Amino acid sequence: DTGVSQDPRHKITKRGQNVTFRCDPISEHNRLYWYRQTLGQGPEFLTYFQNEAQLEKSRLLSDRFSAERPKGSFSTLEIQRTEQGDSAMYLCASSLRGAGYSDGYTFGSGTRLTVV
Amino acid sequence: SQKIEQNSEALNIQEGKTATLTCNYTNYSPAYLQWYRQDPGRGPVFLLLIRENEKEKRKERLKVTFDTTLKQSLFHITASQPADSATYLCALDGGYSTLTFGKGTMLLVSP
Repeated sequence: DTGVSQDPRHKITKRGQNVTFRCDPISEHNRLYWYRQTLGQGPEFLTYFQNEAQLEKSRLLSDRFSAERPKGSFSTLEIQRTEQGDSAMYLCASSLRGAGYSDGYTFGSGTRLTVV
Repeated sequence: SQKIEQNSEALNIQEGKTATLTCNYTNYSPAYLQWYRQDPGRGPVFLLLIRENEKEKRKERLKVTFDTTLKQSLFHITASQPADSATYLCALDGGYSTLTFGKGTMLLVSP
């Protein structure tokens, strides 16, 4: 297993377009998380899946954002009608157990989105 | 509201010295705290977790302390090396098995 994979690594899109990112977690990890990170800031929580169930979603998350994890394997994050403020690094992480255990999260390298 | 503070200024130290990074939090009673390392353009990498009932945790050259009275965690790297240069993030129990991250502190170790 090569860790958490994210695709694409970079995406440039025009304002108003829809974009979709994919995350492939470590195969035995049943927990999957999406975070967003802007320059000089720490990662900001977006949403959390346990298997295929979306258990938690940030209250700050616009309804233009939607995430899925069909069959509890890979996950997709879609942003509709992108805005310049959506420009950020979108990070996916997975874990076998919850965040309170000493194996932590395994993050992917992220998808950098630029909205022009 | 809940707040996590890490030094926004970069920490510059010489190779071989001990680096000490600080994470302070307010309006929070986290059950645990984690530290991550992040290199430019990459995702964070997990380093250590410490629970509220633990005062100190060590792993190789790394040491983390957790003072729930002061609401502070200290992260130490002993015998620092240029390869330790990175941004270090602290992350607290955000509830529902999630983490809330600080902004991170950049560490620069010069030869």
